[in-house]
Amino acid sequence: GAVVSQHPSWVICKSGTSVKIECRSLDFQATTMFWYRQFPKQSLMLMATSNEGSKATYEQGVEKDKFLINHASLTLSTLTVTSAHPEDSSFYICSAREGGWGETQYFGPGTRLLVL
Amino acid sequence: AQKVTQAQTEISVVEKEDVTLDCVYETRDTTYYLFWYKQPPSGELVFLIRRNSFDEQNEISGRYSWNFQKSTSSFNFTITASQVVDSAVYFCALSALGDIIQGAQKLVFGQGTRLTINP
Repeated sequence: GAVVSQHPSWVICKSGTSVKIECRSLDFQATTMFWYRQFPKQSLMLMATSNEGSKATYEQGVEKDKFLINHASLTLSTLTVTSAHPEDSSFYICSAREGGWGETQYFGPGTRLLVL
Repeated sequence: AQKVTQAQTEISVVEKEDVTLDCVYETRDTTYYLFWYKQPPSGELVFLIRRNSFDEQNEISGRYSWNFQKSTSSFNFTITASQVVDSAVYFCALSALGDIIQGAQKLVFGQGTRLTINP
Protein backbone atom coordinates (compact mmCIF):
# COMPACT_ATOMS: atom_id res chain seq x y z
CA GLY A 1 0.00 0.00 0.00
CA ALA A 2 0.82 3.72 -0.02
CA VAL A 3 2.26 3.91 -3.50
CA VAL A 4 2.97 7.20 -5.20
CA SER A 5 3.86 7.37 -8.86
CA GLN A 6 5.49 10.16 -10.78
CA HIS A 7 5.64 10.73 -14.50
CA PRO A 8 7.86 11.21 -16.35
CA SER A 9 10.88 9.83 -14.58
CA TRP A 10 13.24 11.60 -16.96
CA VAL A 11 12.75 14.64 -19.14
CA ILE A 12 15.11 16.60 -21.32
CA CYS A 13 13.84 19.80 -22.83
CA LYS A 14 15.03 22.91 -24.57
CA SER A 15 15.33 26.19 -22.76
CA GLY A 16 12.12 28.17 -22.91
CA THR A 17 9.74 25.24 -23.06
CA SER A 18 7.35 24.15 -20.33
CA VAL A 19 7.42 20.79 -18.65
CA LYS A 20 4.60 19.11 -16.74
CA ILE A 21 5.25 16.50 -14.06
CA GLU A 22 2.44 14.35 -12.70
CA CYS A 23 2.21 12.89 -9.23
CA ARG A 24 -0.41 10.28 -8.40
CA SER A 25 -1.33 8.44 -5.25
CA LEU A 26 -2.27 5.00 -6.51
CA ASP A 27 -3.93 3.32 -3.56
CA PHE A 28 -5.00 6.08 -1.23
CA GLN A 29 -6.56 9.51 -1.32
CA ALA A 30 -4.04 12.24 -0.76
CA THR A 31 -5.52 15.17 1.08
CA THR A 32 -2.18 16.92 0.81
CA MET A 33 0.60 16.67 -1.73
CA PHE A 34 4.03 18.19 -1.58
CA TRP A 35 6.62 19.11 -4.17
CA TYR A 36 10.31 19.03 -3.38
CA ARG A 37 13.47 19.82 -5.26
CA GLN A 38 16.74 18.10 -4.57
CA PHE A 39 20.19 19.15 -5.77
CA PRO A 40 23.00 16.58 -5.97
CA LYS A 41 24.20 15.42 -2.58
CA GLN A 42 21.82 17.73 -0.77
CA SER A 43 18.70 17.34 1.28
CA LEU A 44 15.18 17.89 0.02
CA MET A 45 13.96 21.43 -0.36
CA LEU A 46 10.21 21.90 -0.05
CA MET A 47 8.83 23.99 -2.89
CA ALA A 48 5.12 23.98 -2.20
CA THR A 49 2.26 22.29 -0.42
CA SER A 50 -1.04 21.67 -2.13
CA ASN A 51 -4.42 20.59 -0.85
CA GLU A 52 -7.03 19.19 -3.18
CA GLY A 53 -9.15 21.94 -4.66
CA SER A 54 -7.12 24.74 -3.11
CA LYS A 55 -4.33 26.98 -4.29
CA ALA A 56 -0.88 25.73 -3.47
CA THR A 57 1.14 27.29 -0.67
CA TYR A 58 4.62 28.13 -1.89
CA GLU A 59 7.75 28.32 0.20
CA GLN A 60 9.61 31.57 0.42
CA GLY A 61 11.76 32.13 -2.62
CA VAL A 62 9.83 29.79 -4.91
CA GLU A 63 8.27 31.60 -7.87
CA LYS A 64 4.58 30.82 -8.17
CA ASP A 65 4.42 31.80 -11.82
CA LYS A 66 7.45 29.69 -12.60
CA PHE A 67 6.32 26.53 -10.85
CA LEU A 68 2.61 26.06 -11.39
CA ILE A 69 0.96 23.51 -9.15
CA ASN A 70 -2.48 22.04 -9.65
CA HIS A 71 -4.09 19.56 -7.26
CA ALA A 72 -7.19 18.72 -9.23
CA SER A 73 -8.23 15.58 -7.41
CA LEU A 74 -7.43 13.54 -4.32
CA THR A 75 -5.09 11.37 -6.34
CA LEU A 76 -3.40 13.75 -8.75
CA SER A 77 -1.17 16.79 -8.49
CA THR A 78 0.83 18.35 -11.30
CA LEU A 79 3.86 20.59 -11.32
CA THR A 80 4.49 22.63 -14.44
CA VAL A 81 7.87 24.26 -14.86
CA THR A 82 7.14 27.15 -17.17
CA SER A 83 9.71 28.61 -19.54
CA ALA A 84 12.35 26.27 -18.21
CA HIS A 85 15.97 27.38 -18.07
CA PRO A 86 19.15 25.39 -17.41
CA GLU A 87 19.14 26.48 -13.76
CA ASP A 88 15.82 24.65 -13.35
CA SER A 89 17.58 21.37 -14.04
CA SER A 90 17.15 19.29 -10.92
CA PHE A 91 15.54 16.26 -9.32
CA TYR A 92 11.90 16.95 -8.50
CA ILE A 93 10.12 14.71 -6.00
CA CYS A 94 6.51 14.70 -4.96
CA SER A 95 4.99 13.21 -1.87
CA ALA A 96 1.45 12.51 -0.80
CA ARG A 97 -0.19 12.23 2.56
CA GLU A 98 -3.53 10.84 3.59
CA GLY A 99 -4.93 12.47 6.67
CA GLY A 100 -3.53 15.08 9.01
CA TRP A 101 -0.17 16.62 9.73
CA GLY A 102 1.35 13.76 11.67
CA GLU A 103 0.64 11.14 9.07
CA THR A 104 3.38 9.73 6.87
CA GLN A 105 4.33 11.35 3.61
CA TYR A 106 4.91 8.78 0.89
CA PHE A 107 7.23 9.79 -1.88
CA GLY A 108 7.18 9.28 -5.60
CA PRO A 109 10.23 8.01 -7.48
CA GLY A 110 11.18 11.48 -8.64
CA THR A 111 11.65 13.21 -11.97
CA ARG A 112 15.04 14.20 -13.30
CA LEU A 113 14.75 17.35 -15.39
CA LEU A 114 17.53 18.49 -17.69
CA VAL A 115 17.07 21.77 -19.48
CA LEU A 116 19.43 22.35 -22.37
CA ALA B 1 11.82 26.82 14.74
CA GLN B 2 12.24 23.14 14.11
CA LYS B 3 15.57 21.66 13.16
CA VAL B 4 17.02 18.24 12.44
CA THR B 5 20.74 17.58 12.57
CA GLN B 6 22.43 14.57 11.09
CA ALA B 7 26.02 15.26 11.96
CA GLN B 8 27.43 12.27 10.06
CA THR B 9 27.68 13.30 6.44
CA GLU B 10 29.15 10.04 5.23
CA ILE B 11 29.75 6.67 6.83
CA SER B 12 31.57 3.77 5.27
CA VAL B 13 31.70 0.32 6.83
CA VAL B 14 32.44 -3.21 5.79
CA GLU B 15 29.58 -5.59 5.26
CA LYS B 16 28.24 -7.34 8.37
CA GLU B 17 29.33 -4.52 10.66
CA ASP B 18 26.74 -2.77 12.78
CA VAL B 19 26.28 0.92 12.09
CA THR B 20 24.38 3.67 13.88
CA LEU B 21 23.10 6.80 12.18
CA ASP B 22 22.58 9.73 14.50
CA CYS B 23 19.69 12.14 14.43
CA VAL B 24 19.24 15.06 16.81
CA TYR B 25 16.19 17.28 16.59
CA GLU B 26 15.10 20.61 17.99
CA THR B 27 11.54 21.67 18.69
CA ARG B 28 9.69 23.51 21.39
CA ASP B 29 6.57 21.50 20.76
CA THR B 30 5.55 18.63 22.96
CA THR B 31 3.60 17.03 20.13
CA TYR B 32 5.63 15.98 17.13
CA TYR B 33 6.47 13.07 14.86
CA LEU B 34 9.83 11.75 13.78
CA PHE B 35 10.56 9.83 10.61
CA TRP B 36 13.36 8.00 8.87
CA TYR B 37 13.55 7.61 5.12
CA LYS B 38 15.99 5.73 2.92
CA GLN B 39 17.03 7.11 -0.47
CA PRO B 40 18.84 4.50 -2.56
CA PRO B 41 20.75 5.49 -5.71
CA SER B 42 17.53 5.23 -7.73
CA GLY B 43 16.33 8.36 -5.94
CA GLU B 44 13.02 7.32 -4.48
CA LEU B 45 12.57 7.99 -0.77
CA VAL B 46 11.45 4.89 1.05
CA PHE B 47 9.59 5.29 4.32
CA LEU B 48 11.14 3.35 7.19
CA ILE B 49 9.52 4.46 10.43
CA ARG B 50 7.27 7.03 12.07
CA ARG B 51 7.34 7.70 15.78
CA ASN B 52 5.24 10.14 17.79
CA SER B 53 6.61 12.16 20.69
CA PHE B 54 4.54 10.31 23.25
CA ASP B 55 5.92 6.91 22.40
CA GLU B 56 9.49 6.46 23.57
CA GLN B 57 9.55 2.74 23.07
CA ASN B 58 12.41 1.58 20.94
CA GLU B 59 11.52 -0.33 17.84
CA ILE B 60 13.09 -3.24 16.04
CA SER B 61 12.26 -4.36 12.54
CA GLY B 62 14.49 -7.13 11.32
CA ARG B 63 18.03 -5.77 11.13
CA TYR B 64 16.80 -2.23 11.75
CA SER B 65 16.30 -0.69 15.16
CA TRP B 66 15.54 2.79 16.39
CA ASN B 67 16.39 4.40 19.71
CA PHE B 68 14.21 7.38 20.64
CA GLN B 69 15.39 9.40 23.62
CA LYS B 70 13.50 12.58 24.42
CA SER B 71 15.99 13.49 27.13
CA THR B 72 18.68 14.00 24.50
CA SER B 73 16.32 14.87 21.62
CA SER B 74 17.71 12.02 19.59
CA PHE B 75 16.22 9.42 17.32
CA ASN B 76 19.08 7.19 16.24
CA PHE B 77 18.91 4.42 13.71
CA THR B 78 20.98 1.24 13.87
CA ILE B 79 21.50 -1.31 11.17
CA THR B 80 22.74 -4.63 12.45
CA ALA B 81 24.83 -6.93 10.26
CA SER B 82 24.85 -4.40 7.44
CA GLN B 83 24.53 -5.51 3.83
CA VAL B 84 25.58 -3.91 0.56
CA VAL B 85 21.90 -3.27 -0.24
CA ASP B 86 21.76 -0.97 2.77
CA SER B 87 23.94 1.51 0.90
CA ALA B 88 21.88 4.67 0.52
CA VAL B 89 21.35 8.14 1.88
CA TYR B 90 19.28 8.10 5.03
CA PHE B 91 17.19 11.08 6.10
CA CYS B 92 15.75 11.81 9.49
CA ALA B 93 12.76 14.18 9.51
CA LEU B 94 10.53 16.00 11.96
CA SER B 95 6.94 17.21 11.80
CA ALA B 96 5.88 19.36 14.71
CA LEU B 97 2.49 20.71 15.69
CA GLY B 98 3.83 24.21 16.08
CA ASP B 99 4.63 24.39 12.40
CA ILE B 100 1.11 23.30 11.60
CA ILE B 101 -0.57 25.90 13.78
CA GLN B 102 1.46 28.57 12.06
CA GLY B 103 0.13 27.37 8.75
CA ALA B 104 3.06 25.29 7.63
CA GLN B 105 2.78 21.56 7.23
CA LYS B 106 6.40 20.99 6.68
CA LEU B 107 8.42 17.91 7.14
CA VAL B 108 11.78 19.23 8.28
CA PHE B 109 14.60 17.09 6.96
CA GLY B 110 18.13 16.63 8.17
CA GLN B 111 20.95 16.88 5.69
CA GLY B 112 21.11 13.14 5.32
CA THR B 113 23.81 10.56 5.99
CA ARG B 114 25.34 8.77 3.03
CA LEU B 115 25.96 5.19 4.09
CA THR B 116 28.25 2.99 2.05
CA ILE B 117 28.51 -0.70 2.82
CA ASN B 118 31.58 -2.26 1.28
CA PRO B 119 31.71 -5.96 0.44
